[in-house]
Amino acid sequence: DAGVIQSPRHEVTEMGQEVTLRCKPISGHNSLFWYRQTMMRGLELLIYFNNNVPIDDSGMPEDRFSAKMPNASFSTLKIQPSEPRDSAVYFCASSLSGGAPYEQYFGPGTRLTVT
Amino acid sequence: GDSVTQMEGPVTLSEEAFLTINCTYTATGYPSLFWYVQYPGEGLQLLLKATKADDKGSNKGFEATYRKETTSFHLEKGSVQVSDSAVYFCALSLSGGYQKVTFGIGTKLQVIP
Repeated sequence: DAGVIQSPRHEVTEMGQEVTLRCKPISGHNSLFWYRQTMMRGLELLIYFNNNVPIDDSGMPEDRFSAKMPNASFSTLKIQPSEPRDSAVYFCASSLSGGAPYEQYFGPGTRLTVT
Repeated sequence: GDSVTQMEGPVTLSEEAFLTINCTYTATGYPSLFWYVQYPGEGLQLLLKATKADDKGSNKGFEATYRKETTSFHLEKGSVQVSDSAVYFCALSLSGGYQKVTFGIGTKLQVIP
């Protein structure tokens, strides 16, 4: 199994530009999570999808952030316009919900730098 | 709400030293408990887990015992190696419904030769 795939691995952009991060979950998993990791705030859950439907987006910082999951094998996290304070590592994770306990499988992350 | 409290790092140990990273939790229900590890430049990966009181999770020489009476899940290893240098996250998850995982802030471990 290839694991959770994220692209790009690194992104450097200028303030005001649109940024799109991509994630391919593990085949067969029906839950997908987007996290943001910074030194100051640690690991924050941004949004959670179950069966492609957003269930909890209370962690999305503001309207500049949006996430979609058009099908079971692809999700995007978009920031428009980007700001320097968005600089962080963004992780995508997937899992198979319905049983307990379950574990989340993380991708390698996208390191975003906004200048 | 549910939360996990970990000891703040960084923790610096010499190779072959004994490791303890403390973790306590607060939960509204009966959680499952986890330790995740993040190696430099990588995502988090599950290290071990325990689902009920007095269960002991173990993997790669690491152990943690689910202590309901003290709401704790401390991570231990008898003899650390340089390759164990990483960030360790304690986490909990409640069964049923929205199975959100609540993570601690992470404890950085550095093992020196």
